[in-house]
Amino acid sequence: EAQVTQNPRYLITVTGKKLTVTCSQNMNHEYMSWYRQDPGLGLRQIYYSMNVEVTDKGDVPEGYKVSRKEKRNFPLILESPSPNQTSLYFCASSLSPGRLHFGNGTRLTVT
Amino acid sequence: TQLLEQSPQFLSIQEGENLTVYCNSSSVFSSLQWYRQEPGEGPVLLVTVVTGGEVKKLKRLTFQFGDARKDSSLHITAAQTGDTGLYLCAGDNAGNNRKLIWGLGTSLAVNP
Repeated sequence: EAQVTQNPRYLITVTGKKLTVTCSQNMNHEYMSWYRQDPGLGLRQIYYSMNVEVTDKGDVPEGYKVSRKEKRNFPLILESPSPNQTSLYFCASSLSPGRLHFGNGTRLTVT
Repeated sequence: TQLLEQSPQFLSIQEGENLTVYCNSSSVFSSLQWYRQEPGEGPVLLVTVVTGGEVKKLKRLTFQFGDARKDSSLHITAAQTGDTGLYLCAGDNAGNNRKLIWGLGTSLAVNP
């Protein structure tokens, strides 16, 4: 089944404790992206990757890092999480411009 | 800054009613997509409209792209409880970074 898989689904952590949210897609898509979704602010792009080893900042990249060492994986790294990074995170991939396939989300709480 | 405004923000109707959701911008898009997001899940692509004036139908859902490719509407006929969810529109600016401009969504509740 074609899908984007994120892990974990839920994560509660404390300020400053490094964490990684994994994302994997099995559709051989070149394009991958991370979004955060917050009430009243909608979906905002954090980082995106056009292909392996090519990543670029989205609209809200501060406090986040990504890597794209292989086509299928695109992990999101929070080196020192802060409470304002509490949010619902989505990974997405696509073959064509737009036409995104989303994962089921990771709900992160930073206390 | 490109913006997509969706209206209404919230909509609560009874099963069987019809409804229309709007997505408006002052910018021109090369294409526009509609997604539906159910609680606890990621958005799922419903349709992409590309040509100005284009109308696409997906069962009881009818999508229209404005002639000038600045706006779009989603009409649902005889809504069902399974239509409940957050409807998001996203415009493609055809840039090299494949950036989508997102509306804030219309939260639809269809009551039995």
